Amino acid sequence: QSVLTQPPSVSGAPGQRVTISCTGTSSNIGAGYDVHWYQQLPGTAPKLLISANSNRPSGVPDRFSGSKSGTSASLAITGLQAEDEADYYCQSYDSSLSGVIFGGGTKLTVL
Amino acid sequence: QVHLVESGGGVVQPGRSLRLSCAASGFTFSSYAMHWVRQAPGKGLEWLAVISYDGSYKYFADSVKGRFTISRDNSKNTLYLQMNSLRTEDTAVFYCARPRTTEQWLYRGMDVWGQGTTVTVSS
Repeated sequence: QSVLTQPPSVSGAPGQRVTISCTGTSSNIGAGYDVHWYQQLPGTAPKLLISANSNRPSGVPDRFSGSKSGTSASLAITGLQAEDEADYYCQSYDSSLSGVIFGGGTKLTVL
Repeated sequence: QVHLVESGGGVVQPGRSLRLSCAASGFTFSSYAMHWVRQAPGKGLEWLAVISYDGSYKYFADSVKGRFTISRDNSKNTLYLQMNSLRTEDTAVFYCARPRTTEQWLYRGMDVWGQGTTVTVSS
């Protein structure tokens, strides 16, 4: 069971907007540690999608955005495309565990 | 071009040991901390360990503490993961990954990943 909680799956039609939540606690997200998001296409390594809550690395489309509030963070994807179908993971740091933590992952299905 | 290449995976019996390597190129390896992350078949990402740029600090996930060791050789631009007392539940694809910045590396996202090496623990 992951320290960061994500919904197992989300879905949306092409062109729609979807959000993926990442819920933590007072020892990780709530303590002010940054949240990062990754996209993992089938059979490939994860790719950094959002860094430090809301920053997009170079090359990431602006259809992807991130936010953080309290003990939770969210990834939003607008203008959904078939190529967005992938697994998405949030990541942060936990002071109680003294280590890096990942969410359990969310599978995005484009209908 | 920034590149990470893992190697050393394979099939190993429970209780045995295995050492993974991660060869880095295209950046100043000795300036960056480095992580190991694994992914069991059909499961999510699990962080395993991180080592500071000079090897002086190391942190481990509870699931591997005492069994796995992380090290690096900056003269060879190579990161290592020594895995002892392997269990069937250690079967996974193992990735090395680089933090996005050289500062506050424990809290940063990982912007460079290798392609992964597969470890299968089975009798």
